[in-house]
Amino acid sequence: DAGVIQSPRHEVTEMGQEVTLRCKPISGHNSLFWYRQTMMRGLELLIYFNNNVPIDDSGMPEDRFSAKMPNASFSTLKIQPSEPRDSAVYFCASSLVAYRGAGEQYFGPGTRLTVT
Amino acid sequence: GNSVTQMEGPVTLSEEAFLTINCTYTATGYPSLFWYVQYPGEGLQLLLKATKADDKGSNKGFEATYRKETTSFHLEKGSVQVSDSAVYFCALKQGAQKLVFGQGTRLTINP
Repeated sequence: DAGVIQSPRHEVTEMGQEVTLRCKPISGHNSLFWYRQTMMRGLELLIYFNNNVPIDDSGMPEDRFSAKMPNASFSTLKIQPSEPRDSAVYFCASSLVAYRGAGEQYFGPGTRLTVT
Repeated sequence: GNSVTQMEGPVTLSEEAFLTINCTYTATGYPSLFWYVQYPGEGLQLLLKATKADDKGSNKGFEATYRKETTSFHLEKGSVQVSDSAVYFCALKQGAQKLVFGQGTRLTINP
């Protein structure tokens, strides 16, 4: 298995620029999660999808953030315009969710975003 | 709502010491419980899990027992190694709902 694939692994951009992070979940998984990790705030769930439909986006910090999942094998997280406080590591995770059963999540390696 | 509380870090131990990282949870019903580990520069990896009361999850020498009476899922290892240095996250999941993570505990093992 290739695991969850994220790109790019590192992104450095200037304040005000648009940033797009990409994720390919594990084949056959039906749920996808976007997290943000910082020293100050720890690990935060931004949004998650079930069967390509956004279920809970209450963690998305503000309108500058948007996420899409056009099909079962691809998702994007976009920040426009970016700000220095968006600097963080962004993780994508996927799982096979069933009502009964543990449904553990598999994480990608993360994208380290630096906004200057 | 559901929540997870972990032992405050950082934790620093010498190699071959005994490890305990405490985790307690608040949930209605019977959640599944997990420990995830994050090595430097990597994403989180599932370390072990337990899906019902009195289950013991184990992996790589780590163990945790689902204790419903104390709502706890403490992580233990009898003899830690330098390679166990990482951040450890306790988490719970109920039904089809999202995972709820604790704040993480940073563990450093000195040779």
